[in-house]
Amino acid sequence: QKEVEQNSGPLSVPEGAIASLNCTYSDRGSQSFFWYRQYSGKSPELIMFIYSNGDKEDGRFTAQLNKASQYVSLLIRDSQPSDSATYLCAVTPSRAGGFKTIFGAGTRLFVKA
Amino acid sequence: GAVVSQHPSWVICKSGTSVKIECRSLDFQATTMFWYRQFPKQSLMLMATSNEGSKATYEQGVEKDKFLINHASLTLSTLTVTSAHPEDSSFYICSARKGQQETQYFGPGTRLLVL
Repeated sequence: QKEVEQNSGPLSVPEGAIASLNCTYSDRGSQSFFWYRQYSGKSPELIMFIYSNGDKEDGRFTAQLNKASQYVSLLIRDSQPSDSATYLCAVTPSRAGGFKTIFGAGTRLFVKA
Repeated sequence: GAVVSQHPSWVICKSGTSVKIECRSLDFQATTMFWYRQFPKQSLMLMATSNEGSKATYEQGVEKDKFLINHASLTLSTLTVTSAHPEDSSFYICSARKGQQETQYFGPGTRLLVL
């Protein structure tokens, strides 16, 4: 079982719709969760981080964390064609893991104009 | 802010030569920096973790004698690809962690093409 799993996609949504990206992780003691966006040919850029159960909103982005289900998601409201990219979920395991952040393989998102 | 730079952004070299890539944290001190490699349409692969003033920790399967890492200061880490071969052609990306925070900030990456 992979430590951080994401559906590779592609996930295709029409412009203006809500895009929902999902991620599961295996280490129940994980403490920190991150979403990065990576455009083709570019390096990842941080979108959001979340530490506590529940929702965290930043503009059009909402991160949702459910530690009991070992699940973290990213919602993108009013999706724009410029949101088309690969979204990487990253998890920092429990302190026993030595703070090494584990990245998922990413979900490709296409927003159709 | 948390800005990380890499230099050079592009390298084309002949097989057998060595290539040095620099990673700098511009507006913060980075106790830990990471080096990743990414092949086309594949996910990030962590190569090594670099802590200032100590030896780098390499991931399984990464040759430490081929990929030399030096983290000489809190703002600079270098990756040297020694005796590069065409199979080393890839996108090399560094990231830096700010202090004890767990968030990683990525540099823009360096594309290496070995002919």
